[in-house]
Amino acid sequence: QVQLQESGPRLLKPSETLSLTCSVSGYSIRSGYYWGWIRQPPGKGLEWIGSIYHSGTTHYNPSLESRLTISVDTSKNQFSLKLSSVTAADTAVYYCAREEFDYWGQGTLVTVSS
Amino acid sequence: SSELTQDPAVSVALGQTVRITCQGDSLRSYYTNWHQQKPGQAPVLVIYGKDNRPSGIPDRFSGSSSGNTATLTITGAQAEDEADYYCNSRDSSGNLRVFGGGTKLTVL
Repeated sequence: QVQLQESGPRLLKPSETLSLTCSVSGYSIRSGYYWGWIRQPPGKGLEWIGSIYHSGTTHYNPSLESRLTISVDTSKNQFSLKLSSVTAADTAVYYCAREEFDYWGQGTLVTVSS
Repeated sequence: SSELTQDPAVSVALGQTVRITCQGDSLRSYYTNWHQQKPGQAPVLVIYGKDNRPSGIPDRFSGSSSGNTATLTITGAQAEDEADYYCNSRDSSGNLRVFGGGTKLTVL
């Protein structure tokens, strides 16, 4: 059974960098598929952030691209998200998922507040 | 275009059939996935590809597509189907993913 688990700081101040890691178990990232990040502001819809292949190839949401870095560590079977210069508008539940969207993490709420 | 448009809310009587639609130019070229999300939970994939259901998804859920519109059909809606439903697909380049704004389904 494929499982994903997000981890990282849950409270940030404006202008800081959001950093999250998704740990994958039950499937080797090296075996294929893109692996992605999706977020959901409180009470709002889902927004695709971006994705990465085990080779390091990335695709980013153009609206976030200037602040966004997604990386992969195949030795740890993990992939990570960094979003710089956060504001209150970045407050959301952040999900990681296999990008066929058949497996999702439980999500983690990240709050940006001074 | 990278936008997918959904009706914000739809209601259905218990046991009746409901159709939830998703519109977007990219849907002429790419399949649509459908996700169900209940309060406080992660989304769950209910339809993928042309009209495929992951293991464990009841066969009352089905998908179809015509032109720029994809449709999720629930035949014989149950109380437990009350949830938010999101479509997702690719943008016109095929490299980026996009989600619709979501449809809140109420089962009366």
